[in-house]
Amino acid sequence: DTAVSQTPKYLVTQMGNDKSIKCEQNLGHDTMYWYKQDSKKFLKIMFSYNNKELIINETVPNRFSPKSPDKAHLNLHINSLELGDSAVYFCASSQVTGGGSPLHFGNGTRLTVT
Amino acid sequence: GENVEQHPSTLSVQEGDSAVIKCTYSDSASNYFPWYKQELGKRPQLIIDIRSNVGEKKDQRIAVTLNKTAKHFSLHITETQPEDSAVYFCAASKTSYDKVIFGPGTSLSVIP
Repeated sequence: DTAVSQTPKYLVTQMGNDKSIKCEQNLGHDTMYWYKQDSKKFLKIMFSYNNKELIINETVPNRFSPKSPDKAHLNLHINSLELGDSAVYFCASSQVTGGGSPLHFGNGTRLTVT
Repeated sequence: GENVEQHPSTLSVQEGDSAVIKCTYSDSASNYFPWYKQELGKRPQLIIDIRSNVGEKKDQRIAVTLNKTAKHFSLHITETQPEDSAVYFCAASKTSYDKVIFGPGTSLSVIP
């Protein structure tokens, strides 16, 4: 009964490839996010969606395209992968948008680009 | 935009001692301050949070204090145990349609 689940857990791919990460939450939350955690553990928001509507797009290269088919799902597609995209990507959800409500994180997807 | 700083970046304490992690924020309109714990290879998880209308909050061995005038807040862990070893992140945000900004994290090691 995982609250926020994302797949795959590990993703190893070569430069130039296209890959997707999927996320689903069963908490009934309205808002979902993608965060990137780099090698120094720094957590940085990439996108947030509220009930399928894009709310935050944090100066992320347009090679990254999020898609939210419904409020329980938020996927991340990455085109033309680069070495610098290697990181752990966390999906998260919260009951309300923005601050004031705790974030519930998925277990992360470790992306390695070779 | 909001900027959150966090100190120290690493902290090593003996089991049973207390640990204190301090954070400052830049946006005086921020009003929600959560703390997350991330164990090695795991996801960040909320351990405690505080809102701007409260100066202090406790939950067993964990407490958080907030000084809105000085724009800083702190996490206090008493009677530390080896299982407290993790990276701790402070964060700040405003309500409604705003993003949560994380500090850079503090790696806490509790030595048995």
